[in-house]
Amino acid sequence: EIVLTQSPGTLSLSPGERATLSCMASQSVSSIYLAWYQQKPGQPPRLLIYGASSRATGVPDRFDGRGSGTDFTLTISRLEPEDFAVYYCLHCGGSLWTFGQGTKVEIK
Amino acid sequence: QVQLVESGGGVVQPGTSLRLSCEASAFTFSSYAMHWVRQAPGKGLEWVTVISFDGGTKSYADSVKGRFTISRDNSKNTLYLQMNSLRTEDTAVYYCATFISNPYWGQGTLVSVSS
Repeated sequence: EIVLTQSPGTLSLSPGERATLSCMASQSVSSIYLAWYQQKPGQPPRLLIYGASSRATGVPDRFDGRGSGTDFTLTISRLEPEDFAVYYCLHCGGSLWTFGQGTKVEIK
Repeated sequence: QVQLVESGGGVVQPGTSLRLSCEASAFTFSSYAMHWVRQAPGKGLEWVTVISFDGGTKSYADSVKGRFTISRDNSKNTLYLQMNSLRTEDTAVYYCATFISNPYWGQGTLVSVSS
C-alpha cells in the first residue's frame, strides 16, 4: 500500500509570498496518477493539478505542480487571499486511492 | 462534462443501515472503476471502497470491511454503497469518484450517525 506524506503540516505565510508544499510517496508512483486538491471550509475538494503537473480547468497559473517517482511538489508562486486553504495530494492509480494528510496554508 | 451526483445521505442512529447512490453521466460508466471516498467533519480524506468496471472485483478499507457493500448497475449508470451496522465514526460526507485521464468527484452527500 502506498503511503503519501505531506509536509509541512501547516504553512504560515503572508499574501504575496511563495508557498511550497511537499508530497512524498512511500514507493515510486506514476505521475499520471498524482493529483493535488484545494479545500476551503464547507466546500468539497477542488481539483487543482492532475498528472502531477497539469492544471485543471480554470486554475490560475500561479499554481505549479512538479515531481516524479516519490517526490512531488505544489508551488503557489504568489499567495492570493483566496489561496489560504487546506491542500491534499492524492494517488489515484491502481485499485486503492491514497491521500496525504493535508497541508494547511494559513495567513501569518 | 463528466457528472457524478450522490444522494441518499441523512441522519440515522447507530446500528442502522443506509444506502447511498451515485448517478453518473457524460461518460461511458460501464468502462470505468468507481470509488467511494469520505471525509469526517474536520478530518482528512479517506478512501472507502472501489468496484471494477464490470462489478467483478471490489476492495474495501479495513474501517468498513464487512459492514459496507459497493455495487453498481451499469444499465442505470448508477453506483451504490450499502452501509450496514453504522457507527458514529462513519459520520462523514461521502463522495463517489472515478478516474478518466484525471480524477472526477461528485459534490458529496452527508451521512450523520448519531443517537
